Amino acid sequence: KQEVTQIPAALSVPEGENLVLNCSFTDSAIYNLQWFRQDPGKGLTSLLLIQSSQREQTSGRLNASLDKSSGRSTLYIAASQPGDSATYLCAVRNPTRGQNFVFGPGTRLSVLP
Amino acid sequence: GAGVSQSPRYKVAKRGQDVALRCDPISGHVSLFWYQQALGQGPEFLTYFQNEAQLDKSGLPSDRFFAERPEGSVSTLKIQRTQQEDSAVYLCASSLRLAAYNEQFFGPGTRLTVL
Repeated sequence: KQEVTQIPAALSVPEGENLVLNCSFTDSAIYNLQWFRQDPGKGLTSLLLIQSSQREQTSGRLNASLDKSSGRSTLYIAASQPGDSATYLCAVRNPTRGQNFVFGPGTRLSVLP
Repeated sequence: GAGVSQSPRYKVAKRGQDVALRCDPISGHVSLFWYQQALGQGPEFLTYFQNEAQLDKSGLPSDRFFAERPEGSVSTLKIQRTQQEDSAVYLCASSLRLAAYNEQFFGPGTRLTVL
């Protein structure tokens, strides 16, 4: 059974800092991994999708890496801003689990002005 | 609209009532997913449709939960005889094609509170 964990559970940083969020998964036979952002009371916004054959994806100040063999992914946020405050979720998709994602519990990020 | 929409956004039900939650996927998207998100947790898979066919309902927590997508576009998640433990945000997502490689786009969710 695929299990996804994220550390830390919560993080508070001053504006301008670079930061790393971690995601681990137990079954490395994944199709892909996707990072999402969730604002309070809102749905999920897709940030980056990394296919199993890829090592990293970048979008603006965000960079996500994937080490499939060790079951790990990191989301790097450069020069953090108060608007980055949200919960960040990672999710993986496995052949044995069909089409759906298995989500981690999320990291709640607060960027202080 | 360009994104996935869900209605209602908020629903309060008395224990024992039936509720129906609606999802309008992105036009042309073949795959549709329902997830349940409890407070402080990540979403958990409920069920999956490919066009009108429900291919996976392994995540539905009980036979009180029923989902349909009769014409392969709009989907409805119905919960009968609601219980307090059903209180959660129900998220709908859609994906353009069938393959597991494709990105899922999520709606804003319906927050269900059962009193």
